[in-house]
Amino acid sequence: GENVEQHPSTLSVQEGDSAVIKCTYSDSASNYFPWYKQELGKGPQLIIDIRSNVGEKKDQRIAVTLNKTAKHFSLHITETQPEDSAVYFCAASRDDKIIFGKGTRLHILP
Amino acid sequence: DAGVIQSPRHEVTEMGQEVTLRCKLISGHNSLFWYRQTMMRGLELLIYFNNNVPIDDSGMPEDRFSAKMPNASFSTLKIQPSEPRDSAVYFCASSPIAGGLGEQFFGPGTRLTVL
Repeated sequence: GENVEQHPSTLSVQEGDSAVIKCTYSDSASNYFPWYKQELGKGPQLIIDIRSNVGEKKDQRIAVTLNKTAKHFSLHITETQPEDSAVYFCAASRDDKIIFGKGTRLHILP
Repeated sequence: DAGVIQSPRHEVTEMGQEVTLRCKLISGHNSLFWYRQTMMRGLELLIYFNNNVPIDDSGMPEDRFSAKMPNASFSTLKIQPSEPRDSAVYFCASSPIAGGLGEQFFGPGTRLTVL
């Protein structure tokens, strides 16, 4: 079955710097890769997603890249701000199956 | 729309008791997912429904867990009997797109503590 590895588990960056979170997946048939942000006491919320026919997608300060050959995808947050502090989850999905990574706790340092 | 609604938000019970968690989908959504979140195991998919029909329940831990969708807008997750290792945050999520191929809208979760 699908396995999604996410790194790092914890990441601290200075406010204004960039943050990068990486994920790898095992099932080459996976074709949808969402990223969710979870703030304390809340459910995860989709922030960006990418489908397998696209290599890169950007939305303001957030970008995601996908390398299907290597089976890895990454989340990039530029010009980080205090409100970016949260837990971020990647996921890989095909048809009726979605598998989440274990999450990355991002701390934005003042 | 109020989003996905879950109740209760917190539940504390004793081992052996029955626990029922409730979820109301966003109107018009036809896919429903139940997840369990713990520090050790992260976010795990328990079961997924499409148009009220269970599609994949391979994530349900054991027979003590059961989930139903009596109608298109409501679902329950029942644990009977509950055990301390069931302590976790349980989320439901709904989606307008079948399967795991579209945005899922998560509820605020139910924090379950089994003593």
